[in-house]
Amino acid sequence: EIVLTQSPGTLSLSPGERATLSCRASESVTSDFIAWYQQKPGQTPRLLIYGASTRATGIPDRFSGSGSGTDFTLTISRLQPEDLAVYYCQQYGDAPPNIFGGGTKIEIK
Amino acid sequence: EVQLVESGGDVVQPGGSLRLSCATSGFNFDDYAMHWVRQAPGKGLEWVGLVTWDAGTAFYADSLGGRFTISRDNSKNSLYLQLDGLRPEDTALYYCAKVAKSGSYYTTYYFDSWGQGTLVTVSS
Repeated sequence: EIVLTQSPGTLSLSPGERATLSCRASESVTSDFIAWYQQKPGQTPRLLIYGASTRATGIPDRFSGSGSGTDFTLTISRLQPEDLAVYYCQQYGDAPPNIFGGGTKIEIK
Repeated sequence: EVQLVESGGDVVQPGGSLRLSCATSGFNFDDYAMHWVRQAPGKGLEWVGLVTWDAGTAFYADSLGGRFTISRDNSKNSLYLQLDGLRPEDTALYYCAKVAKSGSYYTTYYFDSWGQGTLVTVSS
């Protein structure tokens, strides 16, 4: 079973800065089947990225995903105050379980 | 518009049982696999399990020890999670989630819709 390790645990940045979030898999992910979700305080998770790099409908282009194999990255190019949230990566695809990473919390200075 | 509405959460004593429901609308429910995900207070997301579009098969997280059962009633557009042998560590917000694509190939796909969750508290 794949284990997803997200780093850092917490990221504290100012508005306008770039945020780089890492998701490392314990083994290669089939077909780059990695999704990213955003969970704002008190809210339900929202799909941001699937297939490692494809933005979901309505997601601003300041969010981008990249990576392959075992190393994946979510980048927020120009951080906005409303990006305060916890971000989770998820492995999906050919068989259960649908594993989640432990999450990265973004704090806005 | 896709809607997922969970219900059935409550305070229950250790060893007790509970049945959660997820009422859905806005999509062809019987075409999609459905999942349950939980989140303990202040913690991350934990996948609980899934049921295939035709209710033919269910899969569960190994950590649950066979205490949970997922089912669905396609005639009622509803998903269920039976929780038995509850433990304090099962205290969490339980979400139902819809996979993004229909069909058996996409059973374990990513989730494009989530409910608001229903809270289960296990305490004496």
